[in-house]
Amino acid sequence: GAVVSQHPSWVICKSGTSVKIECRSLDFQATTMFWYRQFPKQSLMLMATSNEGSKATYEQGVEKDKFLINHASLTLSTLTVTSAHPEDSSFYICSARDRGGSWELFFGEGSRLTVL
Amino acid sequence: AQSVTQLGSHVSVSEGALVLLRCNYSSSVPPYLFWYVQYPNQGLQLLLKYTTGATLVKGINGFEAEFKKSETSFHLTKPSAHMSDAAEYFCAVSPRMIAAGNKLTFGGGTRVLVKP
Repeated sequence: GAVVSQHPSWVICKSGTSVKIECRSLDFQATTMFWYRQFPKQSLMLMATSNEGSKATYEQGVEKDKFLINHASLTLSTLTVTSAHPEDSSFYICSARDRGGSWELFFGEGSRLTVL
Repeated sequence: AQSVTQLGSHVSVSEGALVLLRCNYSSSVPPYLFWYVQYPNQGLQLLLKYTTGATLVKGINGFEAEFKKSETSFHLTKPSAHMSDAAEYFCAVSPRMIAAGNKLTFGGGTRVLVKP
């Protein structure tokens, strides 16, 4: 099946710094990628839809200046958490849709962010 | 707007016993329906999906689910639980229209514990 890879899997940073998380589709091209946030023992909450070559669409309540999304190519989307604070600590998961295949979504392994 | 309700945040079963995870959805038209499994600190893996056709859907790892339109349900079952089935399970729905961007709405999740 199609593979979506996230990097890093784990990241610890100091409060006030910025952290970038990458989401790559390894064997397919993805015009659309989605970023989710998952708090411990909770479900996934959609943060934004990332479209290749255009601005991301953010869900209500998600700060676009806080969570910068860039989808510069058909195989890479990045999420940058700017000026991170402890409350930004969470598990971030991306998913991607294969533009050439079915509309099935494939998920990355997730990235756990801990802000000290 | 769509919503998904998973009845029971935790389910405990004995090894070899039936696994039944309940999922009900709310949507103006029957959506696409999915079940995903998540192991600790990992992304989501698709177990099975229903789009059209046969309402009884078979997935990986011996799981199956039945779409019942009259009950707006998509319950997940496995005849005989295995220790490796211990994980978090999420039911999700998405609109039928591709133009909606395949946004998935997730249920709250059900954590399955398998007792030896």
